[in-house]
Amino acid sequence: AQRVTQPEKLLSVFKGAPVELKCNYSYSGSPELFWYVQYSRQRLQLLLRHISRESIKGFTADLNKGETSFHLKKPFAQEEDSAMYYCALHRYNQGGKLIFGQGTELSVKP
Amino acid sequence: ETGVTQSPTHLIKTRGQQVTLRCSSQSGHNTVSWYQQALGQGPQFIFQYYREEENGRGNFPPRFSGLQFPNYSSELNVNALELDDSALYLCASSLGGSGGTEAFFGQGTRLTVV
Repeated sequence: AQRVTQPEKLLSVFKGAPVELKCNYSYSGSPELFWYVQYSRQRLQLLLRHISRESIKGFTADLNKGETSFHLKKPFAQEEDSAMYYCALHRYNQGGKLIFGQGTELSVKP
Repeated sequence: ETGVTQSPTHLIKTRGQQVTLRCSSQSGHNTVSWYQQALGQGPQFIFQYYREEENGRGNFPPRFSGLQFPNYSSELNVNALELDDSALYLCASSLGGSGGTEAFFGQGTRLTVV
């Protein structure tokens, strides 16, 4: 079964510390992986996708097919990074269905 | 360019009733997907509409149904409401039936079933 797992419900770090939000997936084909972010009182929005290989707001994520992981990293966390982060998997030929993990709340303390 | 808008923002219904939620897709987008997000959980895919046809469905019973109109706006209908249907319902629009492009989400409709 296709599944996305985010093992941490809450991750709390101090400003300037490195951040790694974990995401593991199970999928039998070639996945397309995303990170979505939801800031307080805002709508869910795309942060980055693995195929674009971009760095958005200092965040990067590398798809590791061997470990079936897509961890989100940032070397120096900022207070404005505090938000809910969702890892999602897109299934090709399945009508664009996104499978989301349960989310990790990132709290960056001053 | 207008974003995805959903109405109403909040709704309270009684168990057994029926509800209709509405979504206006982003300008130029022809695909609308609906998700249910229970408290503390990630969004769960309900179904998707592409050019007015259902194009994929998640693990939801038939009392969850939908429509897409020629202007690509969409409705989600839920019949015989149950307490467990209480959740945030999200609509997302994108371009293309395969959904390979970015999905833009609305702000959601918070449904409470009492």
